[in-house]
Amino acid sequence: DVKVTQSSRYLVKRTGEKVFLECVQDMDHENMFWYRQDPGLGLRLIYFSYDVKMKEKGDIPEGYSVSREKKERFSLILESASTNQTSMYLCASSPTGGAGELFFGEGSRLTVL
Amino acid sequence: EDQVTQSPEALRLQEGESSSLNCSYTVSGLRGLFWYRQDPGKGPEFLFTLYSAGEEKEKERLKATLTKKESFLHITAPKPEDSATYLCAVEGGATNKLIFGTGTLLAVQP
Repeated sequence: DVKVTQSSRYLVKRTGEKVFLECVQDMDHENMFWYRQDPGLGLRLIYFSYDVKMKEKGDIPEGYSVSREKKERFSLILESASTNQTSMYLCASSPTGGAGELFFGEGSRLTVL
Repeated sequence: EDQVTQSPEALRLQEGESSSLNCSYTVSGLRGLFWYRQDPGKGPEFLFTLYSAGEEKEKERLKATLTKKESFLHITAPKPEDSATYLCAVEGGATNKLIFGTGTLLAVQP
């Protein structure tokens, strides 16, 4: 069964902490994405990557960075967490040419105090 | 501005009561329209892709249709296990990125 695995389902961090969210996919997909989901705002794209060591900004990249050292792994980094980054974070992957047919992970619910 | 709007925001149905969810879009150069299902506390699960007006796709009690301005997700004789949030997304527009709607929360009561 194909899978996108996010390392942490629930995290609680303090303002100013550095936060790492890890995502691994086992489908050999080229494309990987990080979204955040907030009530009333829907899914918003933070960063995406079409290849190893490649990254592109999405619609709301401020306060975030990403790393893709291996094809199967895409990490989201919050350099200095703030309370307005409290959200559900969703990682997704898709094969080349299948940009709209995303496979999502279970999500990581981050609370920043 | 490229936009995707879903309606209603929430819908409560009795088991067996058929209905439709709407996804309207204002995107130039549509490349694809996608429906997802999301259960509480989980990531969205892909359901359908529609590429051109007149196209239809079916899966169990769900049927998705597409016109030049909107898509409908028809639910026939729903069951409680169909309760979820249904998301619509559109690929196209100026940036060719995927734009998500805010979803319709469907509750089917036994």
